[in-house]
Amino acid sequence: SQQGEEDPQALSIQEGENATMNCSYKTSINNLQWYRQNSGRGLVHLILIRSNEREKHSGRLRVTLDTSKKSSSLLITASRAADTASYFCATDLYNQGGKLIFGQGTELSVKP
Amino acid sequence: EAQVTQNPRYLITVTGKKLTVTCSQNMNHEYMSWYRQDPGLGLRQIYYSMNVEVTDKGDVPEGYKVSRKEKRNFPLILESPSPNQTSLYFCASSLSIDQGRYGYTFGSGTRLTVV
Repeated sequence: SQQGEEDPQALSIQEGENATMNCSYKTSINNLQWYRQNSGRGLVHLILIRSNEREKHSGRLRVTLDTSKKSSSLLITASRAADTASYFCATDLYNQGGKLIFGQGTELSVKP
Repeated sequence: EAQVTQNPRYLITVTGKKLTVTCSQNMNHEYMSWYRQDPGLGLRQIYYSMNVEVTDKGDVPEGYKVSRKEKRNFPLILESPSPNQTSLYFCASSLSIDQGRYGYTFGSGTRLTVV
């Protein structure tokens, strides 16, 4: 299976609700990153959390990292219809020259 | 505006006809990389470059070439395209890979169809 696996594959919520996406990985990492992709377009970097950090915030985004469980979660609070997109976690592998391994993504749909 | 620019956005070509997808960044980034994105397979790294004249293979390099003669440019070359190279391609760059502090900036993508 992949280095980064995301759960759920798809998530549908109402505007105003919170959305939580999870990511698990297998090997040691330098950092874990979350990206957003609108259909067929380029990925946009959202947030980076280093291996020695446990939680990070950016606006309505909250990311946690548990290196003992090799997992991370992305929480989007008070979601908006404009948050509809695919969200990917990417792991920056330790001693792998900056290589990012992407998960399969979570497809988020926020209904107005 | 800081960005990664890929060209073309869309390309339909025939099997065996050499093509180049260009990638340019204006942020003085050291690290550049090419990915392809396919349904069910996610994003896979093709080649990457840590700096000028330094390139290395990613996970799926077969059928592709790259060069890094200048810091800002990182073209992807398909010498003899085949239908299994039909995909959505992304170029990405990062300031450096120093201690993994920086995220990537992605281009808008090139949708390539090989018939």
